[in-house]
Amino acid sequence: EPEVTQTPSHQVTQMGQEVILRCVPISNHLYFYWYRQILGQKVEFLVSFYNNEISEKSEIFDDQFSVERPDGSNFTLKIRSTKLEDSAMYFCASSGTGRGYEQYFGPGTRLTVT
Amino acid sequence: TQLLEQSPQFLSIQEGENLTVYCNSSSVFSSLQWYRQEPGEGPVLLVTVVTGGEVKKLKRLTFQFGDARKDSSLHITAAQPGDTGLYLCAGFMEYGNKLVFGAGTILRVKS
Repeated sequence: EPEVTQTPSHQVTQMGQEVILRCVPISNHLYFYWYRQILGQKVEFLVSFYNNEISEKSEIFDDQFSVERPDGSNFTLKIRSTKLEDSAMYFCASSGTGRGYEQYFGPGTRLTVT
Repeated sequence: TQLLEQSPQFLSIQEGENLTVYCNSSSVFSSLQWYRQEPGEGPVLLVTVVTGGEVKKLKRLTFQFGDARKDSSLHITAAQPGDTGLYLCAGFMEYGNKLVFGAGTILRVKS
């Protein structure tokens, strides 16, 4: 069964460093998302991406964040200058249905900022 | 602010008992998803309900979407230890392109 994959599974970085989290969505899906989950808290929406552009972003997704679909298979989330409060699980999701519901999630990348 | 209130937060029951988890909001959703999440892993989609009043069954799990598409419930019949886990509801906003998640229900089924 097709699945969303994410790399790395765990990333440790120092405050102020740039990180790139990578995702390979399900191959025929058209809608792509990033969510994050701080330990013990709700899953929070970060950004949605469709037709090679951002379709919606949350207040969390400020100028330090960017997304890209560089080659038609990968979907990346870049954090330019990480802060301690960026430590969280980051989940990529994709959907093949109209308007993007029925989203399938990847296993997540645990980002630890020290 | 879109809120999805999920209750109860924690449920500990004996094997064979029935239980219901509720998800409520003042917002209308285009659809409502239920996920199960294991520690350190991503949410796994269980079901999507789309139409107001819709009922879907997945073995011993019954999912219902409220008539007004503002609330949903998950009912488990004859719970088993394998049902233990975190259950999340997530609503797809009527306008926009994102899921809003509830805080989750931690279910523990004791044998």
